[in-house]
Amino acid sequence: DQQVKQNSPSLSVQEGRISILNCDYTNSMFDYFLWYKKYPAEGPTFLISISSIKDKNEDGRFTVFLNKSAKHLSLHIVPSQPGDSAVYFCAADYQGGKLIFGQGTELSVKP
Amino acid sequence: DVKVTQSSRYLVKRTGEKVFLECVQDMDHENMFWYRQDPGLGLRLIYFSYDVKMKEKGDIPEGYSVSREKKERFSLILESASTNQTSMYLCASNSLTGERNEQFFGPGTRLTVL
Repeated sequence: DQQVKQNSPSLSVQEGRISILNCDYTNSMFDYFLWYKKYPAEGPTFLISISSIKDKNEDGRFTVFLNKSAKHLSLHIVPSQPGDSAVYFCAADYQGGKLIFGQGTELSVKP
Repeated sequence: DVKVTQSSRYLVKRTGEKVFLECVQDMDHENMFWYRQDPGLGLRLIYFSYDVKMKEKGDIPEGYSVSREKKERFSLILESASTNQTSMYLCASNSLTGERNEQFFGPGTRLTVL
């Protein structure tokens, strides 16, 4: 039972445009969400997070939106750059300290 | 900077071999985790540890065991490697007092079982 789902395995965007990566979850007890970025042959690195008491968190070009009623979060990257090409994982807090990850979305930003 | 290191980047083993994957973190983190990453399945938690000599099963512990004798070191053991354990293995750590639940990952070990 996949509690965190990223339904788009891949996304292709033109440089300078907006990238929107989506994530859905099923467990209403999740209260903290994170996005990780992963390059090939490297470990994931933390990108941005959001608490369930907020609906938006922004850090530079990256913004995460949370819609609790829809159990949906999204990551916006504006403007997208070729260096943003990577696999993006969303993750939900589960039993304090443990994370449940989605399947990942591979973003390709074309020059 | 937080550093999580893994003993090998690439490993090739034979079916039935005992395999040890080592992970070391230098930030005095209480929590350590082992995941495997497979295409289309994301990161799945194998085992985690909240303290020295303590371990708990994650979502897919079958075929694996772990050891945490020192706070900085967390080992994943494949008792008898099988081809379905071919995967990318990722170690992570975090602190109960740090940024809430942000986990720091090592570079990963790509294990191939023939």
